Amino acid sequence: QSALTQPASLSGSPGQSITISCTGTSSDVGGYKFVSWYQHHPGKAPKLMIYDVSNRPSGVSNRFSGSKSGNTASLTISGLQAEDEADYYCSSYTTSSTRVFGGGTKVTVL
Amino acid sequence: QVQLVQSGSELKPPGASVKVSCKASGYTFTGYAMNWVRQAPGQGLEWMGWINTKTGSPMYAQGFTGRFVFSLDTSVSTAYLQINGLKAEDTAVYYCARTLQSGPDYWGQGTLVTVSS
Repeated sequence: QSALTQPASLSGSPGQSITISCTGTSSDVGGYKFVSWYQHHPGKAPKLMIYDVSNRPSGVSNRFSGSKSGNTASLTISGLQAEDEADYYCSSYTTSSTRVFGGGTKVTVL
Repeated sequence: QVQLVQSGSELKPPGASVKVSCKASGYTFTGYAMNWVRQAPGQGLEWMGWINTKTGSPMYAQGFTGRFVFSLDTSVSTAYLQINGLKAEDTAVYYCARTLQSGPDYWGQGTLVTVSS
């Protein structure tokens, strides 16, 4: 199972919006609603930000939103803040009853 | 509250074995599967597989068959990852993560395994 494709890095100024894409295939992203997104600060445990494509767990800021079109899922961060600087990973369930992660996107707040 | 607490860092020589523990609390252990995820130095997250905490049945991702073993002790709500025949390329941070079909939600703090002579 190949890793999902994410841009290696993105940057934005405080207050701006950025969108991270996550491209897979019909065997993973395109075939299921079980796409999730994680925020990972180095040295800490990854944090679930979005599950089932567009749902936010309790306690996650509504500045984070998710969507999906075909084989590509997206995470949008609105009103970018310094604390949003981190690595972001998408993940999807697959037809093999396995999971796959994206390669990760490093978000920099300028 | 849900917590997954992993065992501490390990330094092992090549060829040795290591067993990482992941103790769960704050929820019914057998109500969720447990994923294992690896992050090698400078690399992204890599899904290693998962274990069904009701049946003990493991599923390993490609590249994690043979030397990697998932196990449980449900009496103490703990999952284990054992790696046998350690190689330098096994040096990484290993995470456990509670999961449903939606994906992992709560994660352990990670265990650094360093393989070096």
